[in-house]
Amino acid sequence: AQSVTQLGSHVSVSEGALVLLRCNYSSSVPPYLFWYVQYPNQGLQLLLKYTTGATLVKGINGFEAEFKKSETSFHLTKPSAHMSDAAEYFCAVQGGSEKLVFGKGTKLTVNP
Amino acid sequence: AAGVIQSPRHLIKEKRETATLKCYPIPRHDTVYWYQQGPGQDPQFLISFYEKMQSDKGSIPDRFSAQQFSDYHSELNMSSLELGDSALYFCASSGWSGNQETQYFGPGTRLLVL
Repeated sequence: AQSVTQLGSHVSVSEGALVLLRCNYSSSVPPYLFWYVQYPNQGLQLLLKYTTGATLVKGINGFEAEFKKSETSFHLTKPSAHMSDAAEYFCAVQGGSEKLVFGKGTKLTVNP
Repeated sequence: AAGVIQSPRHLIKEKRETATLKCYPIPRHDTVYWYQQGPGQDPQFLISFYEKMQSDKGSIPDRFSAQQFSDYHSELNMSSLELGDSALYFCASSGWSGNQETQYFGPGTRLLVL
């Protein structure tokens, strides 16, 4: 079975500051890992994904994430936050079956 | 690029009524997934179809049923609606060659049960 834990339901940063959103996963098989972003009243947009190969993956809008098997983590980072990054971010794992198992989400607030 | 289309975008129903949600996947995608996102919750997997056959089933109530048609669109039928069914229902599709594991989500149908 798969599960995802996102540490921190709310994260607040200043504009221009580093964004770090934490995600730890559990999977009985080698996982595929995803980060999705959800803006208010909108759908889920894929930010980035890890399947195989390079453990540092780059996504859209300047985000990147590193797959660390030893730590079962897939934290999302961005060097400099923009106001437009304010949204809810979901980490998801896929393994064994095709369905996605999501974390509870982290709401990112960016302060001017 | 074409995206996943869901209709309707908003739906208001009374308790015990029936609702039908439709999903049109990205062209050439053969797999469709349905997820339910309650207020302030993470999306929960309901059911999926591959090549018109049910491929996986999650926490979908017996009151709900779904199918995928020959043109790959899918419909989620919800009967005897309850207040707790109020949620955002997402459809996602996948199947693009070389990118099969990635699910692309539609904008969702927001269902409100009164």
